[in-house]
Formats: sequence, structure tokens, C-alpha cells
Amino acid sequence: EIVMTQSPATLSVSPGQRATLSCWASQSVSTNLAWYQQKLGQAPRLLIYGASTRATGIPARFSGSGSGSDFTLTISSLQSEDFVIYYCQQYDMWPLTFGGGTKVEIK
Amino acid sequence: QLVESGGGVVQPGGSLRLSCEASGFTFSNLAMYWVRQSPGKGLEWVSFISFDGKNEYYADSVKGRFTVFRDNSKNTLYLQMSSLRTEDTGIYYCARDSAFWTPTWYFDFWGQGALVTVSA
Repeated sequence: EIVMTQSPATLSVSPGQRATLSCWASQSVSTNLAWYQQKLGQAPRLLIYGASTRATGIPARFSGSGSGSDFTLTISSLQSEDFVIYYCQQYDMWPLTFGGGTKVEIK
Repeated sequence: QLVESGGGVVQPGGSLRLSCEASGFTFSNLAMYWVRQSPGKGLEWVSFISFDGKNEYYADSVKGRFTVFRDNSKNTLYLQMSSLRTEDTGIYYCARDSAFWTPTWYFDFWGQGALVTVSA
């Protein structure tokens, strides 16, 4: 099983600033990596797939990068609605696995 | 839209069937998944079923106890859960694949979730 590790668990950032979230895979997943956003009490929403492709309707301030085992989600200028939890997921190998999540909180 | 139903409280060892009714898209062309989230915890993929129902995969934690199936004539996905354990407690989401016929293995739309509580 591929273990996904996200860092940090909690990220404190001021509104309007940049947030950089990291996700590592225990082995290479190529670019078979997705990012999801989950607001409190809601289902997750797909943000990024293929490590760097924004899903339909996702604002341009969200960007993904990386390949192999090391990935980054960047939010260029944090808006109030962005202070929630983010998960990465690998889909290179069964079982499909998620990272433990990064909570982005207001500094 | 994806709408789950069938959640509830069940005793350990009991059974429960979840349903997920789809609308607004061509359900019969898309692979579907169940993903769960334990209280205060992260996300865990549970099962996969191909668009035609011919292929199924399960997480080791539920293999042999859970069965996924679908009725494309009713645009509905199901998860039959048996021999339930306390660690199966959580919110169960149905989610769809992003591409027709050949799965991409990530989840481009999710239902609102159904809460399953396994407790004596």
C-alpha cells in the first residue's frame, strides 16, 4: 500500500497570503495525484488531478505541482473560504489512498 | 447530483445497506466508488465498481464483508455492509469517476454522505 503523508498538519496563514501544502508518497506515483478541498460538514471537492490540472470551476489561485513522490498544492492568495482542510490522493496503485490532510487556518 | 440514504445505527455484527441515487448525468457510463470518513479522521477509499458492474474492488478492511453493486436502470449505487464492526463507523460518501467507461481512479463529484454508527 502506498502511504501518503501531508505536511504540515495545520498551516497558519494570513488572508491574502500564499499557502504551500506538501504531500509525499512512500513510492513513486508518477503524476497520478489528486487534491481535494473539504469544508466543515461538507463532502470533499476535487481541486486538482494529474498533479497539476485544475478541475472544472476551480479558481486559478489554486495550483498543483510535482511528480514521482513529492507534490505541492499552492494557494496564491488565500480567500476566507479557503481556510478549510485539504487532502491529497494517489491513484497510481490499488488500494487508492489519501493523505491525512492539512488544515489551513487563519493566522 | 448524488444522494445517499440508508445510514443509521446498527449493533456490531449487524448489517446495513446504503443507496446512492444519481441524477443529472449518465450514471450508466461512469465507474463509481464508496469512500468513508471516520469521526474526526481522514478519508478512506472503500470500494469501486465499474460502469457496467462487472468489476469490483474493495479495501482490505472491508473485503468479504461489504458488497458493492449497481442498478443502472434505476441510476442507483448500493453498498451492502455485513458483519459490521465499531471501526466501520463513519460518514460514507458515494463518488463518481471523471471519465466515461475507462476509470481515471479519482473522484470528480461526491454525494453529501450517509452516517453509519456501529455501536452496542
